[in-house]
Amino acid sequence: AQSVAQPEDQVNVAEGNPLTVKCTYSVSGNPYLFWYVQYPNRGLQFLLKYITGDNLVKGSYGFEAEFNKSQTSFHLKKPSALVSDSALYFCAVRDGGATNKLIFGTGTLLAVQP
Amino acid sequence: SQTIHQWPATLVQPVGSPLSLECTVEGTSNPNLYWYRQAAGRGLQLLFYSVGIGQISSEVPQNLSASRPQDRQFILSSKKLLLSDSGFYLCASDRAGELFFGEGSRLTVL
Repeated sequence: AQSVAQPEDQVNVAEGNPLTVKCTYSVSGNPYLFWYVQYPNRGLQFLLKYITGDNLVKGSYGFEAEFNKSQTSFHLKKPSALVSDSALYFCAVRDGGATNKLIFGTGTLLAVQP
Repeated sequence: SQTIHQWPATLVQPVGSPLSLECTVEGTSNPNLYWYRQAAGRGLQLLFYSVGIGQISSEVPQNLSASRPQDRQFILSSKKLLLSDSGFYLCASDRAGELFFGEGSRLTVL
């Protein structure tokens, strides 16, 4: 079965510093991986995805993610954090089959201090 | 572009009462549709998905049911709510391999 793990419940970073939100995956076959962001009391917004190709994927709002097959990781990164980046971040993997069902991680709360 | 509408946005219901949450999608046709539940502000659990009118797949046994009476309408229901049904319910539709989410319906069962 496909799964993703987000080992950190919360990540704290100072504004202007680089940030990393970690995700590891376990899949059978090729991984289709995603990052979403959720602001309080809102739906999830798509940030980026990895299907195939370059290991460094660029997404919305200056975020990028690095796919590492040997470490089965798909960490989310941003060179310089903003206070407005504070939110809940979810890593997800496609479950396979005929639909685009996604299996989500437990989420990581990113807190950016001014 | 695709837009997902969910209503009501907020709902407070007593235990044992019925439930109906509605989701409609604009800007696409024949989408795959999904209901997720987010409990305690964190993890997302897939409840139901539908690949077409009248076609519903349930992911977990529970007190809820889903229906898809029209191509772009997806309804989540319960005949008798439980306290454990409280949560944030998110409807999603897919396009080009990505899921797009509505703004959610927050249900509190008292």
